[in-house]
Parts: sequence; structure tokens; C-alpha cells
Amino acid sequence: AQSVTQLGSHVSVSEGALVLLRCNYSSSVPPYLFWYVQYPNQGLQLLLKYTTGATLVKGINGFEAEFKKSETSFHLTKPSAHMSDAAEYFCAVRTHNNNDMRFGAGTRLTVKP
Amino acid sequence: DGGITQSPKYLFRKEGQNVTLSCEQNLNHDAMYWYRQDPGQGLRLIYYSQIVNDFQKGDIAEGYSVSREKKESFPLTVTSAQKNPTAFYLCASNTGPGANVLTFGAGSRLTVL
Repeated sequence: AQSVTQLGSHVSVSEGALVLLRCNYSSSVPPYLFWYVQYPNQGLQLLLKYTTGATLVKGINGFEAEFKKSETSFHLTKPSAHMSDAAEYFCAVRTHNNNDMRFGAGTRLTVKP
Repeated sequence: DGGITQSPKYLFRKEGQNVTLSCEQNLNHDAMYWYRQDPGQGLRLIYYSQIVNDFQKGDIAEGYSVSREKKESFPLTVTSAQKNPTAFYLCASNTGPGANVLTFGAGSRLTVL
């Protein structure tokens, strides 16, 4: 079965600094990979997804992620953090032939002025 | 606008009581899901349903029950058998197996007094 590990439950960056949130996955078949964002007391919103094709995917709010099969990673980046990026971020994985999406434990991003 | 409506937003329950959380979607999605969210543990799947009148247990189904009598509705009952029910509950839906992303509701926060 597939699974996801997010390294670092809390990440703190200064406004304008690079954001890097790490995600490693485990899957016996080619995965579909997702990043979601959650603001306090709200549901999750999709940031971006990788299915097939180009390994660098761009999402909303200036975020992007790169699928690296050799490293089984799907790290999320943003060149310059904004105060509004402060939220919790979840990496998720599923396979193409099932409806079972697995989430990581989440990374809380804090942005300092 | 299409979306998922969860109610109530906040709910307090005494020990030993059953409570039902509502989830309604007008997205014409076939599949619906219930997740439980606890701090530092990400999202854990309680139950999911891929079609009306059918549902499957997720990873933590004990102490919960669901029904899927209508395509639009997937209520979750938290029974008195659930030993630690205080949590944030998220309902989600998608069109079915494959690369489809999940659309989430805004969540229901249950507190047991």
C-alpha cells in the first residue's frame, strides 16, 4: 500500500525567503501525488498535483513541486514566502487504480515578518 | 456554486451520546469520504463510499457508522463506542477512481465534554 512521509512537522521562514516542504512517498506502482493547503478551521484546498508527464508541476499561489522518482520525493517549494502562506500543508498519494488517498501528517508553515 | 456542505460547524457531546455529522454535496460526485484529523496525525480515513447504497471501512472505522441512501448525502454517526471522538471531521468527494482530486468540506469540530 502507498504511504507518505512529511519531514518536519513545523517549518518557519522569514517573509521573502524560500519555502521548502519535504514529502517522500512509498508506492509499488506509479503514484499520483498531491499537495493540499489547510487554513485554520477550514477544509483542504488543492495546491497542485502530479499524475503523468512533466515532473515539475506548478500550482496556485506561486507554489511548485517536482516529482523525483529516483528519490521517491515530491517536495513543495515557493521562491518567496508571503505572510498569507502561513497554513498547514499536506502531501498525499494515491494510485491510478484505486480510490484510496493517503495523507502525510502535515507540515505547519509559519512566516515571520 | 457547487461544493460540499458540512454541518454543524461545531458540536459538543456528552459522553455516551451518539451524534450525526451531516455532509451534502451538489457536485454530482459518485464517491464520498470521511476523514478524521488530529493534531500531528494528518488525515485518517474513516469510511468511504463509491456508489449509492455501498460503503467501505477505512483505517479507523471502529465506533463510527455511515449510510449512503442518496448520491448527495453521506452522514457520519459517531457512536458511544468511539473512545476518543474529540476531533476535526472532514468530508470529501470526487468523481471516482483515477487522478481526480478530492474536494473537501469546511469540516465539523466535535468536542466531547
